[in-house]
Amino acid sequence: RKEVEQDPGPFNVPEGATVAFNCTYSNSASQSFFWYRQDCRKEPKLLMSVYSSGNEDGRFTAQLNRASQYISLLIRDSKLSDSATYLCVVNRGWYSGAGSYQLTFGKGTKLSVIP
Amino acid sequence: DAGVTQSPTHLIKTRGQHVTLRCSPISGHKSVSWYQQVLGQGPQFIFQYYEKEERGRGNFPDRFSARQFPNYSSELNVNALLLGDSALYLCASSLRRLAGGPGNNEQFFGPGTRLTVL
Repeated sequence: RKEVEQDPGPFNVPEGATVAFNCTYSNSASQSFFWYRQDCRKEPKLLMSVYSSGNEDGRFTAQLNRASQYISLLIRDSKLSDSATYLCVVNRGWYSGAGSYQLTFGKGTKLSVIP
Repeated sequence: DAGVTQSPTHLIKTRGQHVTLRCSPISGHKSVSWYQQVLGQGPQFIFQYYEKEERGRGNFPDRFSARQFPNYSSELNVNALLLGDSALYLCASSLRRLAGGPGNNEQFFGPGTRLTVL
């Protein structure tokens, strides 16, 4: 089983649609969780961190369920500019003490928003 | 302020050759991590360096090595190149080494070096 698994995609949605991405992780000791966005042939950029209480940033809402080891990202009112690959990312580092800040990425889910 | 910079942007090598990739972190950042991204996959962790010491290593062969300099810039070296080493190599810098609380240890990625091995 891969450490971070995402919906295979691709997702093709019309402008204004709501789209949800799902992700599961296998290491129960994982500490931090993120969604990154990667445009074609560009570097990944942090979209948002994911907190246990759930968090929202404009049209984007992220949820974390530690018991189910499940992460989600909801995009409301999709824009053409949202077209990108969305990467689910988990940090296996230690919260305190010696350790490394290693990000483990999912394969990514490609989103295309269509006019 | 300049972001993470990497050089070269593109590189073409043949099997068996050696390659050195370079990265300069954001000013003030002391941690540099290297990732390999093969087409169609997410980035895969190779190394993390903090304060010039290796702090983490991913599941890569010994052909891959790296180092961090006193100015916190870093080099990734790959020996005896294989066709399968063709990928986008990403460098990421962060302020701290440890996985701190939410939002205070973001990793910022450079534009990457695209390596093609023929």
